[in-house]
Amino acid sequence: DVVMTQSPLSLPVTLGQPASISCRSSQSLVYSDGNTYLNWFQQRPGQSPRPLIYKVSNRDSGVPDRFSGSGSGTDFTLKISRVEAEDVGVYYCMQGTHWPWTFGQGTKVEIK
Amino acid sequence: QVQLVESGGGLVKPGGSLRLSCAASGFTFSDYYMNWIRQAPGKGLEWVSYISSSGTSIYYADSVKGRFTISRVSSKNSLYLQMNSLRAEDTAVYYCASSPITAAGTFAYWGQGTLVTVSS
Repeated sequence: DVVMTQSPLSLPVTLGQPASISCRSSQSLVYSDGNTYLNWFQQRPGQSPRPLIYKVSNRDSGVPDRFSGSGSGTDFTLKISRVEAEDVGVYYCMQGTHWPWTFGQGTKVEIK
Repeated sequence: QVQLVESGGGLVKPGGSLRLSCAASGFTFSDYYMNWIRQAPGKGLEWVSYISSSGTSIYYADSVKGRFTISRVSSKNSLYLQMNSLRAEDTAVYYCASSPITAAGTFAYWGQGTLVTVSS
């Protein structure tokens, strides 16, 4: 199975400041069709997960442009340009290239 | 808009069975592939099972293979998860998640989840 490793696992941030989460996969996430199926999800406290980013860098519908995704191969990053109070929660990367699809452990973002 | 509503969770004894349902609305069910994803209390997300839009391709996590069966009925716009030989480690909130076939490799829409507790 592809192991997804996120860091840090806990991220205290100051409102208005940037934040960055790293996600590394144990093997390349480039699929045979040329796409890289690396996604990011946000889970606010007490809520279902919400999709943020698909195929590395594409924002899902309704996602603010302060969220951005980047990376390639095995190394990926989610960035929040200016953290807002509503961004508190756990962020998961997930790969949909290799079966079984797997998630990272999650990164808890909290306000300092 | 797309809506997914899970039901069927509850308390069951180890070794018992349970059938989860997911009612879909707001989209053409046959154009979407479907998944079950679970989250143990206080833990992260774990993908459980996938079924293609036509129902011909099915995958399971090793942790549930041979015990769980995913299925879908297009005429009812419904997804199911038959869970047999349940274990304590199956205790989790189970989410139904879908994506259009044009959006491979992700989970575009999620339900609110249903809690399954396996305990004697």
